[in-house]
Amino acid sequence: DAKTTQPNSMESNEEEPVHLPCNHSTISGTDYIHWYRQLPSQGPEYVIHGLTSNVNNRMASLAIAEDRKSSTLILHRATLRDAAVYYCILRDGNNAGNMLTFGGGTRLMVKP
Amino acid sequence: DSGVTQTPKHLITATGQRVTLRCSPRSGDLSVYWYQQSLDQGLQFLIQYYNGEERAKGNILERFSAQQFPDLHSELNLSSLELGDSALYFCASSPGAGGNQPQHFGDGTRLSIL
Repeated sequence: DAKTTQPNSMESNEEEPVHLPCNHSTISGTDYIHWYRQLPSQGPEYVIHGLTSNVNNRMASLAIAEDRKSSTLILHRATLRDAAVYYCILRDGNNAGNMLTFGGGTRLMVKP
Repeated sequence: DSGVTQTPKHLITATGQRVTLRCSPRSGDLSVYWYQQSLDQGLQFLIQYYNGEERAKGNILERFSAQQFPDLHSELNLSSLELGDSALYFCASSPGAGGNQPQHFGDGTRLSIL
């Protein structure tokens, strides 16, 4: 799977929007962009995924650049519960297997 | 609650011993995955089973083995344990085997080797 690059850490204020960037310059046409997060002392949690178009769900929005070489996970209103490590992962939609390759992720800190 | 159940939550044992970790996937999910999370290696994929058959393998040690049973629960067996095997072990599940399905993770088993 192609590699992603994320900032090591970011800080946000509670109730403000958060934009978490991810660069994936070597993305291929069949790679989906997935985001997971891991809260302290818990297993990873699926957040959202997309291919080309922007996606919204109850947890977040995913904005994908037109050239698909970068994407941004948007938390519209950060809460203290959103403090977690956020992982941006590329998955080949044609791959018969489904393993996730986790990088270092971005540690999001939310200040009250 | 992800619907994925892992037992036990904590396990403490000694070097050289053997342990079995258990995972029950979400209802209806046919794929089960095992991951290891250690402080120095981060989250690493170990192995995937789909409907009882091995589907993909990561950097799983030969001392480790897994299987998925007809009722779809899975077990990860770790033998000849070493201090470096101390880690969090997560199980995840998804409906199918394909490359684009979200995975749902359990809360993990924390293994401590003394």
